[in-house]
This record gives sequence, structure tokens and C-alpha cells, in this order.
Amino acid sequence: GQNIDQPTEMTATEGAIVQINCTYQTSGFNGLFWYQQHAGEAPTFLSYNVLDGLEEKGRFSSFLSRSKGYSYLLLKELQMKDSASYLCAGAGGSYIPTFGRGTSLIVHP
Amino acid sequence: DVKVTQSSRYLVKRTGEKVFLECVQDMDHENMFWYRQDPGLGLRLIYFSYDVKMKEKGDIPEGYSVSREKKERFSLILESASTNQTSMYLCASSLSSGSLDTQYFGPGTRLTVL
Repeated sequence: GQNIDQPTEMTATEGAIVQINCTYQTSGFNGLFWYQQHAGEAPTFLSYNVLDGLEEKGRFSSFLSRSKGYSYLLLKELQMKDSASYLCAGAGGSYIPTFGRGTSLIVHP
Repeated sequence: DVKVTQSSRYLVKRTGEKVFLECVQDMDHENMFWYRQDPGLGLRLIYFSYDVKMKEKGDIPEGYSVSREKKERFSLILESASTNQTSMYLCASSLSSGSLDTQYFGPGTRLTVL
């Protein structure tokens, strides 16, 4: 089976940095995704990690440690529009990802 | 741009009705998925399909069936709708059945069963 765990809610201030953690327990490992979902909208792809280390993409970075079963999404220079749910999704032995329950990020001015 | 469309954004049905949710993707993707999303529970996989006429059960298939007669179209069927099937339904597609690819999601259908 697969288990994906992430915090339910986080708050942060505009302009700050926030780190959203995700831990996973899977049988095998084929990669880990992060998606962003604004209220009432579809999830959209942010990042994909399959090797250990940090992947940077503009203000967003994603980190993976396979030995620790751990990933995080780092958002820098937070903007109000970053208020959204962030979904961690891991794939174990199959190519079908399992989603965590999502982290609702609230950015305050 | 990949486009995944769903037949309705909002749907209201009565208990016992047969409900069809349609999903169409325009990028020749092999994989298609149906999820439901509920507060506090996240995205849960109902069914997926990796080819025409092929289907696999996800984590919560009970009360649902699916149909994939054409590559671009994946239908979710509620044979006899019940109030506990009130939810947001999201369709997704991804490129290849033999690898882990980014999923592209439709806008969702919010179904209310009275």
C-alpha cells in the first residue's frame, strides 16, 4: 500500500518563504509530484522529482530524499495568488500516483 | 496545450437516478482517470483506463462503473446515485501507460445528489 502525509493547513505572510512537507511510505518508488489547486479549479502540475536533491523552477523548488521518504515544496517571495491547496502525489511500484490530502496555504498581506 | 474537458461543471440529480459524467481529452493520451475530491479526504481514485476498452479499479470503485469506447473519451457512470456520492469529480489524463507522466486535470464536475 501507499501512504502520503502532509499538513492540513499552513499560513504565511506575503513576501516570506514557506516550506510544505510531504512524507510517503510506498512499496517501491517511481517518483513524486507536486500540484497546485486554486479553489474551484483543477489541479495543475508544479514539479516532479525522482532523484534525490533539489529541483528549482523560479520561485518554486521541490526537494526529495528517497532514503527518508520525504519531500518538500519551497515557495519563495510569497504572493497573495499563491494561496491555494498544494497536493503531494507519490507513485510506488506502479505508475499510478497516490495523492495526499493536500495542504491549504493561506497567504496574508 | 493539453485540454481536458468535462461535460458539466455542476449537476444536481435525485437518489436512484443513473448519472453519466463525460470526460474528453485532446492530446492522444493513453491514460485516463476518474477521481472524487472531498474536503479532508483529498483526491481518491475511482477508476482508470490505460487503453480503449481497458479499465482498472482504483481505491473506491464501489457504486461506479466506467466506459472507454474511444481513446479520447472516458465516462464515469453512477448506476443508482446515492447521497454519499455527492462530491467533486475530477477527470485526468496522462501520456503513456508504461511510464509515470504528469496528469492533466479537467475543471471538475460538482455533483449533488438529493
